[in-house]
Amino acid sequence: AQRVTQPEKLLSVFKGAPVELKCNYSYSGSPELFWYVQYSRQRLQLLLRHISRESIKGFTADLNKGETSFHLKKPFAQEEDSAMYYCALSTNFGNEKLTFGTGTRLTIIP
Amino acid sequence: DAGVTQSPTHLIKTRGQQVTLRCSPKSGHDTVSWYQQALGQGPQFIFQYYEEEERQRGNFPDRFSGHQFPNYSSELNVNALLLGDSALYLCASSLVGGDTEAFFGQGTRLTVV
Repeated sequence: AQRVTQPEKLLSVFKGAPVELKCNYSYSGSPELFWYVQYSRQRLQLLLRHISRESIKGFTADLNKGETSFHLKKPFAQEEDSAMYYCALSTNFGNEKLTFGTGTRLTIIP
Repeated sequence: DAGVTQSPTHLIKTRGQQVTLRCSPKSGHDTVSWYQQALGQGPQFIFQYYEEEERQRGNFPDRFSGHQFPNYSSELNVNALLLGDSALYLCASSLVGGDTEAFFGQGTRLTVV
């Protein structure tokens, strides 16, 4: 069975500082990895997925199969980045079952 | 396009009762998935419906059942409610077989007392 681990429940970073939210996974096959974000009073929405290799709102994430990690990074934090972030895994195209981590609440300190 | 809509937004039920939650998918989507999100946890997959049939199921008891209608909307039913069923229930819609993301609704907050 697949599993996603986000070791930090809470993370506080000063504005302008680099951000890294950690995500590790366990799955014996080739997973598809995602980062979802939930801003205050908004619905859960997709931030990025590893197959697209896009940078969204300045965030990037690289799938490291050797370390089974998919850490989310941004070089310079902005106040609007404060939100709840969930790492998720799918064993298919991504519209199949998603397995989520427990989430990290990111707070950007002005 | 209103995106994924769920009703009701909040619900309070008594232990032992039954509840039905509703979801309308995003326009053009044909697949609906349901998730349970307990406080402080990530969403947990309950099941997914496509072509009015359950395609996949997570580790939830038979008290959790669902239905999908010809217009792709879906219902989640929970029987014999337990206090532990209190959670935010999320619906997500997508297009099967396509490389599309899953869009989530705002959720239904169920409180069992």
